[in-house]
Amino acid sequence: SAVISQKPSRDICQRGTSLTIQCQVDSQVTMMFWYRQQPGQSLTLIATANQGSEATYESGFVIDKFPISRPNLTFSTLTVSNMSPEDSSIYLCSVDRGKGAFFGQGTRLTVV
Amino acid sequence: LAKTTQPISMDSYEGQEVNITCSHNNIATNDYITWYQQFPSQGPRFIIQGYKTKVTNEVASLFIPADRKSSTLSLPRVSLSDTAVYYCLVGDGGSQGNLIFGKGTKLSVKP
Repeated sequence: SAVISQKPSRDICQRGTSLTIQCQVDSQVTMMFWYRQQPGQSLTLIATANQGSEATYESGFVIDKFPISRPNLTFSTLTVSNMSPEDSSIYLCSVDRGKGAFFGQGTRLTVV
Repeated sequence: LAKTTQPISMDSYEGQEVNITCSHNNIATNDYITWYQQFPSQGPRFIIQGYKTKVTNEVASLFIPADRKSSTLSLPRVSLSDTAVYYCLVGDGGSQGNLIFGKGTKLSVKP
């Protein structure tokens, strides 16, 4: 198993501002993944974060809106920029441990 | 990655066995079948993974027929705490990070 810590666990933000979400893993991993889960919906992959290279974004997600950092093999951040109420979601990071993925508890973001 | 189809919801009572079936008609030769459980306000949790026939662990069993176009997650003697959303995913077992989640099955266990 993997221990994944996300910060903050929840936040309420004003529209137009940005929030940076941190994800810390208890051991080194090559790839980290960021997901979004909108209210009542399933998870959608935002991007894959590799250490030492730019993140790879899925269709519908762009770097200007969701910049990602991956400074080392145990840590990543996702920033939600210029937020609007439509960005209100749970944001989750995950890692692959060879057999199944492990997820953090998520960050519940509410934009007002 | 193959698309999956599951029932949107299921109801059960405590102590019953629950079987959730997932269809994945376009599963590829190198795809594994993985099930996750998600409680409200938590990230998904890995339950079980299989490739063919039957896999059993301390939590559940996974039945996969020979054609692999479907699979059934079996939860023995469910309790109220098994109320959750269950997701079936198929994909390359060697790369379980970039997952495509379907809508999942919301299981409600009643006393």
